[in-house]
Amino acid sequence: SQTIHQWPATLVQPVGSPLSLECTVEGTSNPNLYWYRQAAGRGLQLLFYSVGIGQISSEVPQNLSASRPQDRQFILSSKKLLLSDSGFYLCAWGSGASTQYFGPGTRLTVL
Amino acid sequence: QKEVEQDPGPLSVPEGAIVSLNCTYSNSAFQYFMWYRQYSRKGPELLMYTYSSGNKEDGRFTAQVDKSSKYISLFIRDSQPSDSATYLCAMSADGGSQGNLIFGKGTKLSVKP
Repeated sequence: SQTIHQWPATLVQPVGSPLSLECTVEGTSNPNLYWYRQAAGRGLQLLFYSVGIGQISSEVPQNLSASRPQDRQFILSSKKLLLSDSGFYLCAWGSGASTQYFGPGTRLTVL
Repeated sequence: QKEVEQDPGPLSVPEGAIVSLNCTYSNSAFQYFMWYRQYSRKGPELLMYTYSSGNKEDGRFTAQVDKSSKYISLFIRDSQPSDSATYLCAMSADGGSQGNLIFGKGTKLSVKP
């Protein structure tokens, strides 16, 4: 069966510091991978998605970036965090025409 | 008009009640409809996945799609305190494979013992 991991689970970072969140998927090959942010009262916002290694589509212009260095690894980064980057970050995977399956999430607080 | 509308609640019911959760949508191209359950501080968990119109049942859960009315529902029978969570509806025209899964904002449900 497929498993999706995210780390860290919780992160507190000062404004202006860099960010790296990692997501890995087990039990499937060539998945579509997604990064979402969930802010209170604002629902799920798709940030990036990837259909293959090195292929990244950005949905929202911002100071975040994503990379996919390996088939089942997806990384979310920032060079300088803003207060508005606080939120719950979710990685998800999908395959073919299937729906999306979410990881456990990373709660980011920027102070 | 938003693509997907979902009443945020909160909805509070006694244990054993039948719960009805609903979403409306505006895009007639949507063919795939999902319900996710999200416990506090956890990732959403896929609960039900249906294609086109009709009903789908899984244990105490029934998903219903009415494409003519652009309305989907999730029914929970014999609700339990463990059903207390936020329920998100989601839909897409192509199954969500290209990142275009549209979510409602979620309905927070509380089932009281």
